[in-house]
Amino acid sequence: DAKTTQPPSMDCAEGRAANLPCNHSTISGNEYVYWYRQIHSQGPQYIIHGLKNNETNEMASLIITEDRKSSTLILPHATLRDTAVYYCIVSDTGTASKLTFGTGTRLQVTL
Amino acid sequence: ETGVTQSPTHLIKTRGQQVTLRCSSQSGHNTVSWYQQALGQGPQFIFQYYREEENGRGNFPPRFSGLQFPNYSSELNVNALELDDSALYLCASSLVFGQYNYGYTFGSGTRLTVV
Repeated sequence: DAKTTQPPSMDCAEGRAANLPCNHSTISGNEYVYWYRQIHSQGPQYIIHGLKNNETNEMASLIITEDRKSSTLILPHATLRDTAVYYCIVSDTGTASKLTFGTGTRLQVTL
Repeated sequence: ETGVTQSPTHLIKTRGQQVTLRCSSQSGHNTVSWYQQALGQGPQFIFQYYREEENGRGNFPPRFSGLQFPNYSSELNVNALELDDSALYLCASSLVFGQYNYGYTFGSGTRLTVV
């Protein structure tokens, strides 16, 4: 599985957009970019995933560069409840696919 | 639809003992994976079960074993517990149909403390 690189921590003011970057320069053609988040003492929660096109759902937007070597997760209006560790993962969607977590980005949303 | 449920939520065991952790998959899911998360680290893949057989394994010794039952629930067994086995153990279920995995839903985990 391809390795990802994320900043260890970021701060964001409540109500502002949170932009979380991720580098995945060794991603292969059949691997998707997934984002999960983990709020303290809970299991990881799926946010969004994409292959090469930008994606948007009710939680967030995912922007993937044209060369697919990096991506950005955007939380358009961060709230205090978005404080969590955010993991960027690349994985295929085969039957034996697994999620390889790094240490993620700890996002702190403040008043 | 119900999510992934794990039991127990917390557990304390003595070094050398054996432990069994349980997981009920989300309704409609047929694959289950187990992860170990040490304090301050990201979850690490232990193994995955599909059609009641192990379908991939991470870098964990054989004393970590599992089962998947016909109703897609699962158990994680750890023998000869070591202090370093203290961690949050996460179960994740997914639907695999054809050759496509539709993505994972995680439970809240079992916090295991080995003393």
